[in-house]
Amino acid sequence: SQTIHQWPATLVQPVGSPLSLECTVEGTSNPNLYWYRQAAGRGLQLLFYSVGIGQISSEVPQNLSASRPQDRQFILSSKKLLLSDSGFYLCAWRDFITGELFFGEGSRLTVL
Amino acid sequence: AQSVAQPEDQVNVAEGNPLTVKCTYSVSGNPYLFWYVQYPNRGLQFLLKYITGDNLVKGSYGFEAEFNKSQTSFHLKKPSALVSDSALYFCAVRDGGYSTLTFGKGTMLLVSP
Repeated sequence: SQTIHQWPATLVQPVGSPLSLECTVEGTSNPNLYWYRQAAGRGLQLLFYSVGIGQISSEVPQNLSASRPQDRQFILSSKKLLLSDSGFYLCAWRDFITGELFFGEGSRLTVL
Repeated sequence: AQSVAQPEDQVNVAEGNPLTVKCTYSVSGNPYLFWYVQYPNRGLQFLLKYITGDNLVKGSYGFEAEFNKSQTSFHLKKPSALVSDSALYFCAVRDGGYSTLTFGKGTMLLVSP
């Protein structure tokens, strides 16, 4: 069965520091992968999605970037964090037939 | 463009009572509809989905949802609420094409003992 892993689970970073959040998927090949941000424990904002290696689509212009160096690896990065980057970041992969998303357990980022 | 509305920020219900969490949608073509639940500091968990077929869909943990095409609604229901059902619930929709899921803003369900 498919599983999705995110790490780190929790991260506290100072303003201006870099960021790297990693997401990996097992049990499926060539998945569509997504990064969402959830601020203040509520709505989901789609940040990036990828349909294949090296292919990234950005939904919202911002301080963050994403990369997909391998088929089942999706990385969210920043060169310099802002206070407004704080939030709960969720990675997901998509079932190609139903469109259902399967989410990781999330990474909570606090920028101080 | 597709959209989802969850009109209630919060729903309060007593344990043992029936619960309903509302969702309406807008999409071109036939909708694919989903409900997810999120517990604190956790990822979203899939509850149920409607793609085609019977309008009443049964899902995990005793939840069900009814697809109503004329009212463009997909309300989540449970006959008897549990305190452990307290969580944040998201409705989501996509059209039949190759589109991403669009999520509602979420409804917090609080079940009191």
